[in-house]
Amino acid sequence: NAGVTQTPKFQVLKTGQSMTLQCAQDMNHEYMSWYRQDPGMGLRLIHYSVGAGITDQGEVPNGYNVSRSTTEDFPLRLLSAAPSQTSVYFCASSRLAGYNEQFFGPGTRLTVL
Amino acid sequence: DAKTTQPTSMDCAEGRAANLPCNHSTISGNEYVYWYRQIHSQGPQYIIHGLKNNETNEMASLIITEDRKSSTLILPHATLRDTAVYYCIVLGGNNRKLIWGLGTSLAVNP
Repeated sequence: NAGVTQTPKFQVLKTGQSMTLQCAQDMNHEYMSWYRQDPGMGLRLIHYSVGAGITDQGEVPNGYNVSRSTTEDFPLRLLSAAPSQTSVYFCASSRLAGYNEQFFGPGTRLTVL
Repeated sequence: DAKTTQPTSMDCAEGRAANLPCNHSTISGNEYVYWYRQIHSQGPQYIIHGLKNNETNEMASLIITEDRKSSTLILPHATLRDTAVYYCIVLGGNNRKLIWGLGTSLAVNP
């Protein structure tokens, strides 16, 4: 098992550009989520999904879109990047909705200029 | 949602037990206590979780007080590779969202 994979590892964007952060898991997990981590603030939940076709907002959803067309993939879209979105983004998955051990990807380090 | 309180930082000598405390005084009866750690800038790693009984696995032990208002994560023989930020999180019932605090930065010293 590859576990949770994220691409790209690093990305630099200009303000206003859009992009998609990719996340995939090969463990047949129902629950997937996206977090951002900023210095001094801990991890904050952006969006999550309890299964294919079902998504919901977390603490800080503004400026981000998600979709879950398959069990394996949970991409995060930045619609119009802003410097405030400079952060490290982590994708995670677990067998059930947040009740079990969550597996995290290695992260994507995003800088918006 | 239950909140947790942890010390900002702790030190431990290599080979000794590291005891990391967590207060969760507003925890409700069906909420679990989870522990994760984050080494350097890697993704967080699950350690252990429990409801009311003490738990042990290959990584650590979790001691939960009888009133469930606090818990302690024990790393029995800390190594340099255990240097990380440790997060205590309460989750369960209708709360499906992990709410992360700032955790405890544990430094294991040689």
